[in-house]
Amino acid sequence: ETGVTQSPTHLIKTRGQQVTLRCSSQSGHNTVSWYQQALGQGPQFIFQYYREEENGRGNFPPRFSGLQFPNYSSELNVNALELDDSALYLCASSPWTGGSPLHFGNGTRLTVT
Amino acid sequence: AQTVTQSQPEMSVQEAETVTLSCTYDTSESDYYLFWYKQPPSRQMILVIRQEAYKQQNATENRFSVNFQKAAKSFSLKISDSQLGDAAMYFCAYRSGWGAGNMLTFGGGTRLMVKP
Repeated sequence: ETGVTQSPTHLIKTRGQQVTLRCSSQSGHNTVSWYQQALGQGPQFIFQYYREEENGRGNFPPRFSGLQFPNYSSELNVNALELDDSALYLCASSPWTGGSPLHFGNGTRLTVT
Repeated sequence: AQTVTQSQPEMSVQEAETVTLSCTYDTSESDYYLFWYKQPPSRQMILVIRQEAYKQQNATENRFSVNFQKAAKSFSLKISDSQLGDAAMYFCAYRSGWGAGNMLTFGGGTRLMVKP
């Protein structure tokens, strides 16, 4: 089975710009979530998508938005980038079933200068 | 809101020895799941072990086992016969049992070093 894949691996952007990160979920997984992991910290939940709709959101401003496509792949969009947005962004997928473990991708390292 | 605390920023163990990583959590819920994830330098979060709160029996996966103390809200990870490949960041995570989906609350992590 194909695991969770994320692109790009690394990205450098300038403050104020916009960025789109992409994620392909593991085969058979219909739920995708995104996490932000600042250097030296644990991941923080951004939001999750199920059936192409946002279904749960953490404490992140509206400039963080996303999409889920019919094939369950997903995008994370961040507008008006700030220096504090520099982090590792992790995508995870799982079945919707409660308690199912998350399967993570290798992440996208975003640097905002 | 739930919180997860890992009080040991770094731990060190000799190869082939046993080490225990600590995790405490705070919740008012009775139904939930707890996880330990490993994050090597490759950055990918890898599931180590999973515990369902309604199960009293501690979960075990080969060299990895947990000590789940529900009343104390404690969830420690024991690694036996430590190997060099166990060196990584370890994160404890909580998931509510209500509803479904992928929202995990993570602790701050413990860096495990394994000495040859």
